[in-house]
Amino acid sequence: GAVVSQHPSRVICKSGTSVKIECRSLDFQATTMFWYRQFPKKSLMLMATSNEGSKATYEQGVEKDKFLINHASLTLSTLTVTSAHPEDSSFYICSALRTGGWPDTQYFGPGTRLTVL
Amino acid sequence: AQTVTQSQPEMSVQEAETVTLSCTYDTSESNYYLFWYKQPPSRQMILVIRQEAYKQQNATENRFSVNFQKAAKSFSLKISDSQLGDTAMYFCAFMKHEGNNDMRFGAGTRLTVKP
Repeated sequence: GAVVSQHPSRVICKSGTSVKIECRSLDFQATTMFWYRQFPKKSLMLMATSNEGSKATYEQGVEKDKFLINHASLTLSTLTVTSAHPEDSSFYICSALRTGGWPDTQYFGPGTRLTVL
Repeated sequence: AQTVTQSQPEMSVQEAETVTLSCTYDTSESNYYLFWYKQPPSRQMILVIRQEAYKQQNATENRFSVNFQKAAKSFSLKISDSQLGDTAMYFCAFMKHEGNNDMRFGAGTRLTVKP
């Protein structure tokens, strides 16, 4: 299979602090990973594309200084929410792109629920 | 830009019956990929089925099959012999063949399988 993990699964933090979320592809290497945000009962909104060894590509309207992405290795991407505020509370999901298959397919992590007090 | 439309916010089906979820998309690309993902209450996104646009044959995965109509830009999912475990949100997704492999999702259809 293609397994992607996320850590932590839940995090509660105080307003103004920073939170780091990790996304790991456990049984394949992923040059490309994606970060999504999902509001309650809504679809997934792509925030950014994370590329190993280069800068992330952010979607329009996503603040790159607030949502820092680092793709340090072929199996790990991190999303840091800086100076978090209550409006950043959401469900964050990552995916890793598995290539060389038919077709290239995104496999998803289990998500991280962020609550900012 | 590509858009994906799922016009059925909610659907229900009796256990063991068949249900079809609809999806349409808009693109000027000639080659692309289409996916159906399932998100159960655990919120883990699970790949259900995938289709390459240049393949005319409809994809099937056990009880799941698609009806891909390229000219109509339609990609419906049929679930046969529905099971209680099929209760979930179902998302249709589009990905270009070339590019950075980002996916665009539809708004989702909440499917409830009733005993």
